Order: sequence, then C-alpha cells, then structure tokens
Amino acid sequence: ELKVEQNPLFLSMQEGKNYTIYCNYSTTSDRLYWYRQDPGKSLESLFVLLSNGAVKQEGRLMASLDTKARLSTLHITAAVHDLSATYFCAVDIRGYQKVTFGTGTKLQVIP
Amino acid sequence: DGGITQSPKYLFRKEGQNVTLSCEQNLNHDAMYWYRQDPGQGLRLIYYSQIVNDFQKGDIAEGYSVSREKKESFPLTVTSAQKNPTAFYLCATEDSRSSYNSPLHFGNGTRLTVT
Repeated sequence: ELKVEQNPLFLSMQEGKNYTIYCNYSTTSDRLYWYRQDPGKSLESLFVLLSNGAVKQEGRLMASLDTKARLSTLHITAAVHDLSATYFCAVDIRGYQKVTFGTGTKLQVIP
Repeated sequence: DGGITQSPKYLFRKEGQNVTLSCEQNLNHDAMYWYRQDPGQGLRLIYYSQIVNDFQKGDIAEGYSVSREKKESFPLTVTSAQKNPTAFYLCATEDSRSSYNSPLHFGNGTRLTVT
C-alpha cells in the first residue's frame, strides 16, 4: 500500500523567511504532484514532477524530486501572506490510476 | 468554458437517507475520481473510473456507490450504510491519454452535512 507522509503538518512563518515542506512516500512512484488548497476551496495544481532530479519553480515556490530517496520538497522563498494555504503532495504509480495524497501542510505566513 | 461542475455546493440530509452528489465535466477527460476530505485531513479516494461503464473501488468505498453511464458524468451516491458521511467531497478528472505531465483537475466540491 502506498503511503505518503508530509512534514511539518503545520507551519507558521514570518514574511520574508524561507522554509521547506517535505513529502516522503513509501513505494516507487511515477509521478508526484503538489497542490494548494485555500480554506473551504478546491485544490489547485502547482507542480507535476516525473523524474529523478526534477526541479520546477513558480514564483516563490520551488519543488524538487529525489526518487531514490522517495522524497520531494517544496521550498518557499521569502514568504508572503498570499502563500498562506494548505499544501498537499500526492503520488501515483503508472497503470494504477490511484493518486494517493499526503495529509497536507497548513502554512500560515505572518506579516 | 471547460471545467468540472459539482452540485450542489452545500447539501444537508437527515441520517438514514441516501443522497447523490453530481459531477459533470466538459473537458473530455476519460478518468474521473471521487475523493473525500475531512477537516484538517488529506484526501481519501472513494471510487475512480477510467472509461465509461467501468469503475473501481478506492480506499474507502464502503457505503458509497457510483455510476459512469456517460463520459461527462460520474455521480456519487452516499448511502445510509456510510457511518460518517459528513465531509467535503471533491470530484476530479484526468486526461489519461495525454501527456503524463498532466495533473488531476478538481471541481469546487460539495460539502455534505448529515444530522
């Protein structure tokens, strides 16, 4: 059974600071996703990572994937209040069509 | 305007009643999914369908049923057998025939409250 763990579960940080969210998964995966969810809203896709060493950046967010360590990171640079949300990683295995989500990291950026 | 429509946004039901949540898409995506989200938790897969007239159980299918009679529609019925039905339900689609780089696309969700 594929398990996905995120840490921390809750993160409170000041504006302007840097921080990293970690996502570990238990078995070999073909795809790793990062999503953002605002309170009471749906999920918005941020990144899809496919291969070992993949790195993608969008604004103040950068995601990377290490398939050998079964680890993905979401790095936040110089956080701003607008980044406050819950961030989920999710993984799946080609052919199984069962995307498994982590428990999420609730990020609160304090002015 | 392409997208995924979930209705209703809020739904209230009495315990013991079955209720059906609607999910319609005009993205022409083959794969459709139902997830359940409880407060402060991640998403758990209820059912998924890769093609019309075929669907598979996810991790928490007990007390739920689905149908996939049309490509565009994947309704979810929450039956009285579901012990804790109050939750936020999210429908998602995927263009499984396109680039493997495509993410799941989510609807806006239905918040179900059963009392």
